[in-house]
Amino acid sequence: GAVVSQHPSWVICKSGTSVKIECRSLDFQATTMFWYRQFPKQSLMLMATSNEGSKATYEQGVEKDKFLINHASLTLSTLTVTSAHPEDSSFYICSAIASGVYNEQFFGPGTRLTVL
Amino acid sequence: GIQVEQSPPDLILQEGANSTLRCNFSDSVNNLQWFHQNPWGQLINLFYIPSGTKQNGRLSATTVATERYSLLYISSSQTTDSGVYFCAVKAGTASKLTFGTGTRLQVTL
Repeated sequence: GAVVSQHPSWVICKSGTSVKIECRSLDFQATTMFWYRQFPKQSLMLMATSNEGSKATYEQGVEKDKFLINHASLTLSTLTVTSAHPEDSSFYICSAIASGVYNEQFFGPGTRLTVL
Repeated sequence: GIQVEQSPPDLILQEGANSTLRCNFSDSVNNLQWFHQNPWGQLINLFYIPSGTKQNGRLSATTVATERYSLLYISSSQTTDSGVYFCAVKAGTASKLTFGTGTRLQVTL
């Protein structure tokens, strides 16, 4: 149980284009999902917290107009990188909380974005 | 915000050896998780352990919340244990996890 999927697993795009990444909880409902970014040989850095039906909460230094987050249902959150630039190239990982006593987070397999 | 540091940053083991990874955190926590990130980037949940001791096969973990640290024990290491191990903590009322600096483990034959 508690499986999280992401799509696509990797994407290459041209500078200036927008890319949408989907995060789905497959076997549970997730009122809260999270988006992280990880650069090579570094730890995960939280970008934003996404709550179903409300606006996302962004961490300091993360541009909300550049990284658009939508959490329209209890099983789906999307991250859109708008007007992507080479410096946005990174590994993007989502996670979800399976509601319950423990609030344990489960992570998706990640999406590797390369902007040319 | 809360600081989470892991040690050692890098570790090379011969297959069959045992190891202990440490996670120190700077404030009280109400959630602590250990993860293994495999070479493909997938984070695998190892333990949810805000306090106490748990064991799962060759792995075990202990969190001493009052002293603000957690330990992950790997016994009889295998090459498939290679990867990066992260601890992550949740403090206060926030639902977000703060990740540690990670320990990169390489198990050789």
